[in-house]
Amino acid sequence: QKEVEQDPGPLSVPEGAIVSLNCTYSNSAFQYFMWYRQYSRKGPELLMYTYSSGNKEDGRFTAQVDKSSKYISLFIRDSQPSDSATYLCATGAGGSNYKLTFGKGTLLTVNP
Amino acid sequence: SQTIHQWPATLVQPVGSPLSLECTVEGTSNPNLYWYRQAAGRGLQLLFYSVGIGQISSEVPQNLSASRPQDRQFILSSKKLLLSDSGFYLCAWTKQGTGSQPQHFGDGTRLSIL
Repeated sequence: QKEVEQDPGPLSVPEGAIVSLNCTYSNSAFQYFMWYRQYSRKGPELLMYTYSSGNKEDGRFTAQVDKSSKYISLFIRDSQPSDSATYLCATGAGGSNYKLTFGKGTLLTVNP
Repeated sequence: SQTIHQWPATLVQPVGSPLSLECTVEGTSNPNLYWYRQAAGRGLQLLFYSVGIGQISSEVPQNLSASRPQDRQFILSSKKLLLSDSGFYLCAWTKQGTGSQPQHFGDGTRLSIL
């Protein structure tokens, strides 16, 4: 079983839709959770950074972590064509572990 | 604010030629530095990371090497490129500290081997 699983999509939605992106993970030691957005031919850009379970909101973006089910989500409200990108989840165990474990990314297209 | 620079943005090299990709970080000191390769459908593959000058950890055996000659400079090298070295190479940095810090990426180098 891979440590982080993410549906690659592609996911296509109309402008204004609510988008739900999800990842599951297997390592219960993971405590730090991130979402990145990557435009074509660019590096990933950090969107959200959360610790442990719960919700975090930033504008149209909400990150949700459920450690009991090892499930992380990113919700995008009022989606815009500029949200079209690949979204990657990432997790880390903290401590002296300097590495993050990334999902393979979900390709999202928001159609005007 | 902190910034990360990678160059070149695009590179086309013949098989068997050497390689040197450079990454520099500004606005912070003593960062952790990382080299990744990203292939379509395969996600981000960690190649090397460094927690200090001259300290390199290799994640994947291959014909690539990394060096950190200065605190905020990270270099990816090869003596002889293979066709399989084609890909999108990304450099990233994090702050030193407790917990898993988010990594911040450069805009990458797209490497094509002919």
